Amino acid sequence: AQKITQTQPGMFVQEKEAVTLDCTYDTSDPSYGLFWYKQPSSGEMIFLIYQGSYDQQNATEGRYSLNFQKARKSANLVISASQLGDSAMYFCAMRGGAGSYQLTFGKGTKLSVIP
Amino acid sequence: GAVVSQHPSRVICKSGTSVKIECRSLDFQATTMFWYRQFPKQSLMLMATSNEGSKATYEQGVEKDKFLINHASLTLSTLTVTSAHPEDSSFYICSVLTGTKNQPQHFGDGTRLSIL
Repeated sequence: AQKITQTQPGMFVQEKEAVTLDCTYDTSDPSYGLFWYKQPSSGEMIFLIYQGSYDQQNATEGRYSLNFQKARKSANLVISASQLGDSAMYFCAMRGGAGSYQLTFGKGTKLSVIP
Repeated sequence: GAVVSQHPSRVICKSGTSVKIECRSLDFQATTMFWYRQFPKQSLMLMATSNEGSKATYEQGVEKDKFLINHASLTLSTLTVTSAHPEDSSFYICSVLTGTKNQPQHFGDGTRLSIL
C-alpha cells in the first residue's frame, strides 16, 4: 500500500520569501511518480510539478522546485518568492507502479502568505 | 494543456433526489477519468475509475449502486448520486488522464453538493 504524509497542517510565509512544504511517502513499488497540486479556496486542483522516481535531477517549474531525496523518501515542495496568490491548500500525491495511474493524496498543507 | 469542464459547480437539492454530475474533457480524448470526493478540510479520496466503454472500477467502501458512473464517450463521464441523503453532501471532483509527459491528472473545478 502507498502512503503520503504531510505533517504541516498549516504554514505561514512572508511575501517574497521562500517556503518549503514537506512530503514523505512510503511505497514498495520501484517505479512511482510524485505530484504536487494547489487547491485555492474555489476548489479546483491545479497541477504544479512532477518528479519521477528514476529522475536524476530535481524537478523545477518556474517558482516551484521539488527537493527529491529518494533515500529518505521525501519530496518537499519549495516555493520561491512567495506571492499573495500562493495562499491555498497544497497536496502531495503519489502515483505508483508501472501502468498504475491512480493517485494517493496526502492530507494537505494550508499555506498563508502574509503581506 | 488539457481542459476539463465539470458541471454543475454547485447543487442544492432535497433528500431523495438523484443528482447527475458531468465531467468533460474539452480538448483531449480520455479513455480514463477519475472521480474523487472531498469532505471539508480533508484530502481527496478516490471513489472510482471511469473507463470509456466499460464498467467503472470502484474503490473499497464505495457503493456502486449509489454512485452510478457512465463513461459513454471519450470526452464525457457522468457521476449520478442516486437517492441522495444529507451524508452525501460533499465536494465531488473529476480528473482526466492526459497523454502528456509524466501523465499528470488534470482536474475539473469540482461540484459542491448540498443535500437538505
